[in-house]
Amino acid sequence: GQQLNQSPQSMFIQEGEDVSMNCTSSSIFNTWLWYKQEPGEGPVLLIALYKAGELTSNGRLTAQFGITRKDSFLNISASIPSDVGIYFCAGLSSNTGKLIFGQGTTLQVKP
Amino acid sequence: SQTIHQWPATLVQPVGSPLSLECTVEGTSNPNLYWYRQAAGRGLQLLFYSVGIGQISSEVPQNLSASRPQDRQFILSSKKLLLSDSGFYLCAWSASSPEQYFGPGTRLTVT
Repeated sequence: GQQLNQSPQSMFIQEGEDVSMNCTSSSIFNTWLWYKQEPGEGPVLLIALYKAGELTSNGRLTAQFGITRKDSFLNISASIPSDVGIYFCAGLSSNTGKLIFGQGTTLQVKP
Repeated sequence: SQTIHQWPATLVQPVGSPLSLECTVEGTSNPNLYWYRQAAGRGLQLLFYSVGIGQISSEVPQNLSASRPQDRQFILSSKKLLLSDSGFYLCAWSASSPEQYFGPGTRLTVT
C-alpha cells in the first residue's frame, strides 16, 4: 500500500535551534497535514496544506507542500522546551482518497 | 465549537475479557468517525471508519469491531481481548474536508 516516509525518526536538539523534518512518498497527495502529539494525548492539527508549492506558517512553525505533490516539509524556528512531542505528517491520497500517516518524528529539546 | 470525548481514559483488562470504548462528538452533525490504534507511541493504524449511522468500514482484520448507534457516537468493542490488543486507542472525526480531529485517547493494557 501507499506509504509516507517521515524523517528523521527522532531529533534531540538544544533550545533555540531550528528544526526541520520532512515526509516523502512515491505517490501523489492532494492535501498535507501536520500534527503534534504530546505524551498521553491525541494528535493536534498544526498546519494544513492544500496546493502544490503552498507555504503556510503558524507561529514559529512553517510547512510547505512540495511542488511534485509527493513531499512536505515542516520547520520549527527557535525551538523551546514545549515543542517536545511527536510530529506526524499525513497526506490525502489522490488514488484512494484516504488519509495516510507517517511514522512520526520524535523531538526532544534540551533547555 | 466541536469537541470530541473518549471514555475511559485508561483501562486495564485481563485476557479474554470483553471491551467497550466510547467516542462522542459534539458541535457537528453527520461527522465521519475513525478509530485508530497507536502502539508504543509511534504510528497510527486506522482500524475502522464510518460515514454514517450503521455504516462501518474495517481497514484491517482483527479481534475488534466497531458500531455507530447514533450520529455522533462511535464504539469500539471486542468479545475477548488478546494481549496484542494493548495500545493507545484514538478516535477522530472529520467533516467534508480532509482534516481529522482527534480525541484524547484511551490507554488499554491487556494483562
